[in-house]
Amino acid sequence: DIQMTQSPPSLSASLGDKVTITCQASQNINKYIAWYQQKPGKAPRQLIRYTSTLVSGTPSRFSGSGSGRDYSFSISNVESEDIASYYCLQYDNLWTFGGGTKLELK
Amino acid sequence: EVQLVESGGGLVQPGRSMKLSCAASGFTFNNYDMAWVCQAPKKGLEWVATISYDGSSTYYRDSVKGRFTISRDNAKSTLYLQMDSLRSEDTATYYCARLSGVLNWFAYWGQGTLVTVSS
Repeated sequence: DIQMTQSPPSLSASLGDKVTITCQASQNINKYIAWYQQKPGKAPRQLIRYTSTLVSGTPSRFSGSGSGRDYSFSISNVESEDIASYYCLQYDNLWTFGGGTKLELK
Repeated sequence: EVQLVESGGGLVQPGRSMKLSCAASGFTFNNYDMAWVCQAPKKGLEWVATISYDGSSTYYRDSVKGRFTISRDNAKSTLYLQMDSLRSEDTATYYCARLSGVLNWFAYWGQGTLVTVSS
């Protein structure tokens, strides 16, 4: 089974900051990684698929990159509506989520 | 508009069974693989099970193999999760998800239904 190590578990940012979250897979996942946003009490919302492709409706301040085992997700110019938890998902071989990152306001 | 509506959650005793349903609308149900994803209280997301568009293939995480069964009724556009021999660690919100259809990530999600396993 593929494991996904996501870091950091929590992140504190000021409005306008750039933040970066990383996910490392236990093996090459061939760029098959997606990123989700989840707000309390709500279902996850897809933001990015296939490493860096923004899903329709995802603001351009969100971005993703990476290859092989190492991937990152960034939010430039953090806005108040971005305060949420974020998860990576590998879908190269079955499906595995990262442990999540809770983004809070500083 | 894609809609996924889960039902069937609630309080159940350890060792008992529960069946979840997910009613789908807004897309051609029998064209897409479907899945269940769970989230224990204040914890992260965990994939539970996936079923192919025609029901011919199923996949499960190790911790539910032999206890949970995913199935679908394409005529009713409904996805199911039969959960047997429930344990306290199965307590979670269970989300129904539609896969993308290409390369297969979780593209659409229901609002979730809470299952609490407790005596």
